[in-house]
Parts: sequence; C-alpha cells; structure tokens
Amino acid sequence: GAVVSQHPSWVICKSGTSVKIECRSLDFQATTMFWYRQFPKQSLMLMATSNEGSKATYEQGVEKDKFLINHASLTLSTLTVTSAHPEDSSFYICSASTGRGGGYTFGSGTRLTVV
Amino acid sequence: AQTVTQSQPEMSVQEAETVTLSCTYDTSESDYYLFWYKQPPSRQMILVIRQEAYKQQNATENRFSVNFQKAAKSFSLKISDSQLGDAAMYFCAYRSPLYFGNEKLTFGTGTRLTIIP
Repeated sequence: GAVVSQHPSWVICKSGTSVKIECRSLDFQATTMFWYRQFPKQSLMLMATSNEGSKATYEQGVEKDKFLINHASLTLSTLTVTSAHPEDSSFYICSASTGRGGGYTFGSGTRLTVV
Repeated sequence: AQTVTQSQPEMSVQEAETVTLSCTYDTSESDYYLFWYKQPPSRQMILVIRQEAYKQQNATENRFSVNFQKAAKSFSLKISDSQLGDAAMYFCAYRSPLYFGNEKLTFGTGTRLTIIP
C-alpha cells in the first residue's frame, strides 16, 4: 500500500533555532501534501496544503514565515519551523492523497519539543 | 464550510462486545467522501473505513461497518467483537469530491475508545 515516511519521529531543539521535518511518499507520487498539527488529546488541525512546484496554501491563523513549507518534488515535502519557541512544541503530521478513491496516507508524525 | 461533529468524547466497551461511535456532519454538497480513522497510542493515523456518498450501500471492513444516513447527515461506526487492539482515538472525517479541487479533510474532535478486558 501507499506509504508516507516522516522524519524525524521526535526532535528536541533550543528556542530560537529552526527544525526541518521531512515527508516522503515512497511508492506513489504525492502531488498534494497536507500538514497538520495536533495538541495532546485534541484533533488534527490543518496548517497548510502544499502542491508540488507551487506555493503552499496556509490556513487562517497559521504564520507563513514561521512554518515554511517546500514541496519541490512529487515525493518530498518539508516543513521547517523557524525560530522555534516553546509554544511551537506539538505533534506534527503530514498526509498525502493517494488519488485512489479518495484515500489518504499519513506519516507517522513528529513530536517537536522546544526547550 | 463543512463541519464534523463527534458528540462522544469517550466510550468504553467490554472485550468481544459491540460498540457504535457517532458522527454527524454538515454540508451543502451532494457528493463527498466520509472516513473513519483510528489513532492508537503510537499516534499513527490508520484508515479504518471509507464511504462514498453516492453509494447507498454501507461500507464494511471485517469487524468494522458504518451506518450511513445521507439525509440525516449521519455516519456512525460499529465495531463488532471488540478487541484490545481496537483501543484508540477514532476520528470521523469529511472530504469534498475531487472535482472541487479541494482535497483537504475536515476532522471531528475524536472519540477515545477504551476496551475493558
């Protein structure tokens, strides 16, 4: 089946530094990738939608300059949290549409802790 | 905009029994997709079952089945013969049809399911 590989699975960084999270579609081409943020015991909140070769579309309230998304190829999308602060600590998940009858595949998530 | 409501924050069921998780949604579209996703403690999102709105027949996947009531905008998930591995957070999700050019999922708030041995 379709697999999305997300790395790293967890990361701890110092306040003020930047962190990059990668999502790769291993056996299919992901023209569209979705990035979510999930707080403990809460639902997934869509942050942005990235399309290969074009600028990402951000949801209302999401800072474009803080959460940089790049989707340079059909198999790789990255989310960079710039100048991270403790309030950016969260669980980040990517997802891609497989284009097969409306299905989606999710990455395994990245737990970001900013200290 | 579409909204998805899960009115049961938590549910519990005895092992081997049957449990039903509720989901309602609001949309003005006639064609769409509905999903149930499972998120176990590992936090990996796993597709449980999918329903296409134009199909009247309820989807079934082994012990998992849905009761799709389009007019009532209801999409409940029934888990039969509950197993310990079914313990997880369950999210109901909605998606517009592809031809609208907007593939994003709208999630409900989730239902935490506990299996009692």
